[in-house]
Amino acid sequence: ETGVTQSPTHLIKTRGQQVTLRCSSQSGHNTVSWYQQALGQGPQFIFQYYREEENGRGNFPPRFSGLQFPNYSSELNVNALELDDSALYLCASSYRDRVYNEQFFGPGTRLTVL
Amino acid sequence: ELKVEQNPLFLSMQEGKNYTIYCNYSTTSDRLYWYRQDPGKSLESLFVLLSNGAVKQEGRLMASLDTKARLSTLHITAAVHDLSATYFCAVDDPQGGSEKLVFGKGTKLTVNP
Repeated sequence: ETGVTQSPTHLIKTRGQQVTLRCSSQSGHNTVSWYQQALGQGPQFIFQYYREEENGRGNFPPRFSGLQFPNYSSELNVNALELDDSALYLCASSYRDRVYNEQFFGPGTRLTVL
Repeated sequence: ELKVEQNPLFLSMQEGKNYTIYCNYSTTSDRLYWYRQDPGKSLESLFVLLSNGAVKQEGRLMASLDTKARLSTLHITAAVHDLSATYFCAVDDPQGGSEKLVFGKGTKLTVNP
């Protein structure tokens, strides 16, 4: 069983640029969630995708957007990068059912905005 | 809005000692998770607690959940250096239809020889 993978592992961008982060969900999972973890903080929920549609969003501006593909992999796009966007971005996949929805996290992408 | 508070935020302890990390949350939720994070790494799932009174143990760590008090504890027994890490609790937020996790700020644990 393949776990959650993310790419790239590290990324350096400058203010105003755009970035795309990628996530492959664990085999058998149909839901992907994205979290932002600033240094020294807990992860903050950005949004979740289920069946290729956004299914819930946290307090992030519209310049944070995403996609989910038919194979359940996902992208996170951030436009007009700001210095405060520097963080570890975590992707988590899960299988949405009626019991509970344990999320399994990928290794993360470390984004640095200069 | 669901809020999750952990305390302490920083914990320095000697090897062999016992200690407890507390996690309080503000609104009803039946699912609570504990994660471990090593520096620069992702989150490793430790425990999933699904019901009131749930208790789970793995090695020197034991987690419990009291949904009525909205409190979970992570108890460390006879700490060893390898337990040094940051520990997060997270709660499922049932609002809005998505099953998002709301995390505490984390407890940075340092175990000294």
